[in-house]
Amino acid sequence: AQSVTQPDIHITVSEGASLELRCNYSYGATPYLFWYVQSPGQGLQLLLKYFSGDTLVQGIKGFEAEFKRSQSSFNLRKPSVHWSDAAEYFCAVGGYSSASKIIFGSGTRLSIRP
Amino acid sequence: GAVVSQHPSRVICKSGTSVKIECRSLDFQATTMFWYRQFPKQSLMLMATSNEGSKATYEQGVEKDKFLINHASLTLSTLTVTSAHPEDSSFYICSALVERGYEQYFGPGTRLTVT
Repeated sequence: AQSVTQPDIHITVSEGASLELRCNYSYGATPYLFWYVQSPGQGLQLLLKYFSGDTLVQGIKGFEAEFKRSQSSFNLRKPSVHWSDAAEYFCAVGGYSSASKIIFGSGTRLSIRP
Repeated sequence: GAVVSQHPSRVICKSGTSVKIECRSLDFQATTMFWYRQFPKQSLMLMATSNEGSKATYEQGVEKDKFLINHASLTLSTLTVTSAHPEDSSFYICSALVERGYEQYFGPGTRLTVT
């Protein structure tokens, strides 16, 4: 079965500290992987995506993620968080087809400690 | 590029009435759009896949007669919540598929409150 697991419901980090949000997936074929961010009451913004190639993906706002096939993981990282990074983060997986649905993880809420 | 809009952003309606939500791809054509529902502090749940010129494909457990989807053009999909009830109150988000990149761009969402 296809699924995405984000084991951390809520994380709090200090401003300026590093961040890692965990994501594990289960998918029958080679997946497309995404990280989205959602501010309260807003839609989703794509931070980065992995389709193929270099397993370390750079995204917007200083975020990066690393695809590790052996661990079925796609963790999101940022070396130094800013107060504006406080939001809900969703990991998602899809397939190599325009007909493929995107399956979302349950999300991780990030709070920033001043 | 790849901007998706939704209208209205917020709507309050009385129980028993119908509400239409529009999803538009502003600067690209989208043969496929998706409708999601998001409960407070929860993830997005896919309701249906909307294909231009054909019937929508609904996910298991989603009532197609209650949530009517029409994708009449390459830039517009509509979701009509018929005979709305308070339990239909939710945040509805649409997305449009960019075929070349197999990537979905999301609208800003519509907050529906049924009183």
